Amino acid sequence: NAGVTQTPKFRILKIGQSMTLQCTQDMNHNYMYWYRQDPGMGLKLIYYSVGAGITDKGEVPNGYNVSRSTTEDFPLRLELAAPSQTSVYFCATSRRGDTEAFFGQGTRLTVV
Amino acid sequence: DAKTTQPTSMDCAEGRAANLPCNHSTISGNEYVYWYRQIHSQGPQYIIHGLKNNETNEMASLIITEDRKSSTLILPHATLRDTAVYYCIVRAPQGGSEKLVFGKGTKLTVNP
Repeated sequence: NAGVTQTPKFRILKIGQSMTLQCTQDMNHNYMYWYRQDPGMGLKLIYYSVGAGITDKGEVPNGYNVSRSTTEDFPLRLELAAPSQTSVYFCATSRRGDTEAFFGQGTRLTVV
Repeated sequence: DAKTTQPTSMDCAEGRAANLPCNHSTISGNEYVYWYRQIHSQGPQYIIHGLKNNETNEMASLIITEDRKSSTLILPHATLRDTAVYYCIVRAPQGGSEKLVFGKGTKLTVNP
């Protein structure tokens, strides 16, 4: 089992470009989460999903969009990249809200 | 979710026990205490969780006070690889716990 897979691992974007960060899980978990972590800071929740077809905003959703058409995939979309979105992005999953969460290895994004 | 308070940083000598405190004075009766850690640049890793009884697994022990307003994560024999940021989180098992929100955590440095 691969667990939680994030692609790409690294990406450099120019201001105004768009991209999709991919997150795929093979654990059949219902809950999925996206976080960003700025240098030296803690994790901030961007969006989360409690199942296919259901998404909700976290602490810092502005500038991002998500979709959850399948249990396995939870892509994060940046429409107009800004330097403030330079960060490391982590995807996570959990079977339920009260069970342990599993994290991917992260995507390091730089916007220049 | 109830908020938690942790010290910003702690130091521990290699081979000694590391005791990481967490205050959660507003915890509700059905909320669990979870601990995660994040080793530099990696995704967070689940350590342990508990409701009111003390818990132990292969990684650590969790001591929860009788009034449940605080807890301590114990790493019995800290190694250099335990240097990480440790996060204490409280979550309810049902309803309202969909968000998994991290605080700032405690930066533990294990010294040789």
